This record gives sequence, structure tokens and C-alpha cells, in this order.
Amino acid sequence: GNSVTQMEGPVTLSEEAFLTINCTYTATGYPSLFWYVQYPGEGLQLLLKATKADDKGSNKGFEATYRKETTSFHLEKGSVQVSDSAVYFCALSGVDTGRRALTFGSGTRLQVQP
Amino acid sequence: EAQVTQNPRYLITVTGKKLTVTCSQNMNHEYMSWYRQDPGLGLRQIYYSMNVEVTDKGDVPEGYKVSRKEKRNFPLILESPSPNQTSLYFCASSPKRTGIANTEAFFGQGTRLTVV
Repeated sequence: GNSVTQMEGPVTLSEEAFLTINCTYTATGYPSLFWYVQYPGEGLQLLLKATKADDKGSNKGFEATYRKETTSFHLEKGSVQVSDSAVYFCALSGVDTGRRALTFGSGTRLQVQP
Repeated sequence: EAQVTQNPRYLITVTGKKLTVTCSQNMNHEYMSWYRQDPGLGLRQIYYSMNVEVTDKGDVPEGYKVSRKEKRNFPLILESPSPNQTSLYFCASSPKRTGIANTEAFFGQGTRLTVV
């Protein structure tokens, strides 16, 4: 079945540091890949997505590239801010016409210190 | 404003007392689902619905029921809650798509349930 593996958190960085959160996946066929962000006390919001190999998703300074050869979708940001503190979830949507479910990683908490 | 609304946001209940968590979306989406979020496990799908009167089990359906009598509403029912159902619950909706399953999901703000 489908699965997503994320790096363990929490990740603690100083403001303006470079961020990488690793994500690898297992899936049959060609899934779509997503990063969702959960701010404290809120639901999940889509941060970015990529639907085919070599696509780069980007939003709010965050980027992730769909790498089929390494089955990865690592999240990066060049300069984090305190407001980026949140939990980040990598997810995939497989080619499953029935369930249309998202398979999530366990989440990575990011703490950015001033 | 497009949104998914869950109620209540917080709930403490006792073992065995039936409860319902409501979910409503105003985007005319066909697809709705329920997830539970537990530490270290991410989100796991409980039940989903492809359209009105069409529901099916997700990965962790035991102890839950759902119904989809109207397109906008998808309540989650715990007939006899137990402490292992203490969790953070999210409702999500997405529009119907054909072909590649690349549909974005819209999430509610979550319901934190504690069963004592």
C-alpha cells in the first residue's frame, strides 16, 4: 500500500536559517504529492503540491520537487521566519479511483526562534 | 467564504455516551471524509463519502459511523465512545475529479475529543 515517511521532529531553527524537511514515499503508479501545514489550533492548509515527476511546487517561499527516481518530495525554504512555526505534513494521493484518500506522514513540528 | 465547519471544537465525554461531531461544507463538494490525528501517526482516514448516500470505510473505521443524507453535511457518530477514541478529528472535503487523483482537500479546524 501507499506510505509516507517524514523526518522526526521537532526541528528547531533560528530566524533566517535554511529549512529542509525530508519526505519519502512508497506508492504504485504516479501519485500526486502535497505538503500541508497546520498552525497551532487550526486545521490543515495546503501549502504546495506537485502532480508529476520533476514538477516543483512552491508557495510562500517554500519549495518541493517531485523526484520519482528517489521517491522524495523534500520541503525547503531559504530563510524561515517565526511565523513559519507549525507542523508540516507530507502527503500523497494515489491513483485510487475509489477512496481518493490522502496518505499522510507523521508530521514534523518546526519551531523558529527569534 | 469557502470553508469546512466542524462542531464542537472541543468535547469531553464519558465512556459509552453516544456523541455526534458535525461537519458541513459550503463548496458543493462531492467528496467528504473524516480523519483522526494521533501523535506519531499522522492522519488516518476513518470513513469517506463519494456523494450523497454513498459512504465507505477508510483505514480505521471501527467504533465509528457516518451518514451522508445531504451533500453539504457529513456527521461522525460514536455510538459508544471508548478512551482509545480520544484524538483530534478532522473533516475534509474535495470536489469530484476524473483521471489522476490530484485533488486538493479542504480541512475543518478540528475537534479535540477526550473520552474518560
